[in-house]
Amino acid sequence: RKEVEQDPGPFNVPEGATVAFNCTYSNSASQSFFWYRQDCRKEPKLLMSVYSSGNEDGRFTAQLNRASQYISLLIRDSKLSDSATYLCAVNEGYQKVTFGTGTKLQVIP
Amino acid sequence: NAGVMQNPRHLVRRRGQEARLRCSPMKGHSHVYWYRQLPEEGLKFMVYLQKENIIDESGMPKERFSAEFPKEGPSILRIQQVVRGDSAAYFCASSDGTANEKLFFGSGTQLSVL
Repeated sequence: RKEVEQDPGPFNVPEGATVAFNCTYSNSASQSFFWYRQDCRKEPKLLMSVYSSGNEDGRFTAQLNRASQYISLLIRDSKLSDSATYLCAVNEGYQKVTFGTGTKLQVIP
Repeated sequence: NAGVMQNPRHLVRRRGQEARLRCSPMKGHSHVYWYRQLPEEGLKFMVYLQKENIIDESGMPKERFSAEFPKEGPSILRIQQVVRGDSAAYFCASSDGTANEKLFFGSGTQLSVL
């Protein structure tokens, strides 16, 4: 079983739609969680941290479910500029950060 | 620009040559990570270093690959006797080592082995 798993997609959604991604992790001792965004051939950029209480940043909402060992990212009112690959990242302890393979999102006009 | 700096941006090597990839972390950061990414694939963890110490190299091949982060100067990822399968994008990231471990990435080095 992979340490961090994501559905690779692609998710093709129309502008204005709401889309959600999940990411599961295998190490129950994992300590912190993140979502990154990666545009084609570019470096990943931190989108947001994920907390047990959930956190929201504009159109983006992230949630953590420790019992079921998954994190989620919800994007509301999708924009064309949201098209990218979304990577979840898990700090497994000892500060080793493991990434999922990413979920590709394509927002269609 | 106080961001993570990687060079070269592109590196072409012939089979059997050596590749040296450099990474200068963000100002104030003392933790460096190296990741490899193949086309259409995710980031694969290679090695995690602090100044003068390798903390975790579990993702790095045992042969031909080495990494260092000296007291002075950038972190270096060194690949000896490169093969075509080493062709990939190599990303470096740095952090300040606090518990939440947010990573900031450099622009990457695209290694092409002919």
